[in-house]
Amino acid sequence: AAGVIQSPRHLIKEKRETATLKCYPIPRHDTVYWYQQGPGQDPQFLISFYEKMQSDKGSIPDRFSAQQFSDYHSELNMSSLELGDSALYFCASSLGGYPGNTIYFGEGSWLTVV
Amino acid sequence: GNSVTQMEGPVTLSEEAFLTINCTYTATGYPSLFWYVQYPGEGLQLLLKATKADDKGSNKGFEATYRKETTSFHLEKGSVQVSDSAVYFCALRETSGSRLTFGEGTQLTVNP
Repeated sequence: AAGVIQSPRHLIKEKRETATLKCYPIPRHDTVYWYQQGPGQDPQFLISFYEKMQSDKGSIPDRFSAQQFSDYHSELNMSSLELGDSALYFCASSLGGYPGNTIYFGEGSWLTVV
Repeated sequence: GNSVTQMEGPVTLSEEAFLTINCTYTATGYPSLFWYVQYPGEGLQLLLKATKADDKGSNKGFEATYRKETTSFHLEKGSVQVSDSAVYFCALRETSGSRLTFGEGTQLTVNP
């Protein structure tokens, strides 16, 4: 079965640079989520989109922005990178807003800021 | 706000031992509850879920029962294997919201 696809899997950036992460949700899923997981931490919710509109916002820094495109893929743009942005970034998708629906996660994108 | 609390500290067991990882939650309304597992270097995988009180989720020998009266969703397995070594996250999704809220995670190590 198709899963959530994230790219790139690994990237290394220098401080103050910009990074873009891409996410391709499971086909027919209409909701995309972004999470950030620091080393040894639980995943922290950043932002979500439903039918290409922002549906919820968590602890996403102002330096970060995201959008969902007409083909439902999503991109997370991170600017003025800081050392503390080094983390594993997950994209996830689900079908609809019913709370019992499973949210499926991608394998994550490892960002290292040096 | 909503929150999930898991038992503190890593858990180390011998193979075939009984596993319990405690999870309690605070939420408004009637959330859905989930257990996710993260193997080393991998993403989060759904292990099991329960969407209403007294529901029991089960998968791969793991079980958890949604207890509204104690606001708990403890994870159990009767006989763990070395391959079960991973980090386990309890999570909730509230009735009217869409995001998952995770607990702190519990590192399980199973020794042969």
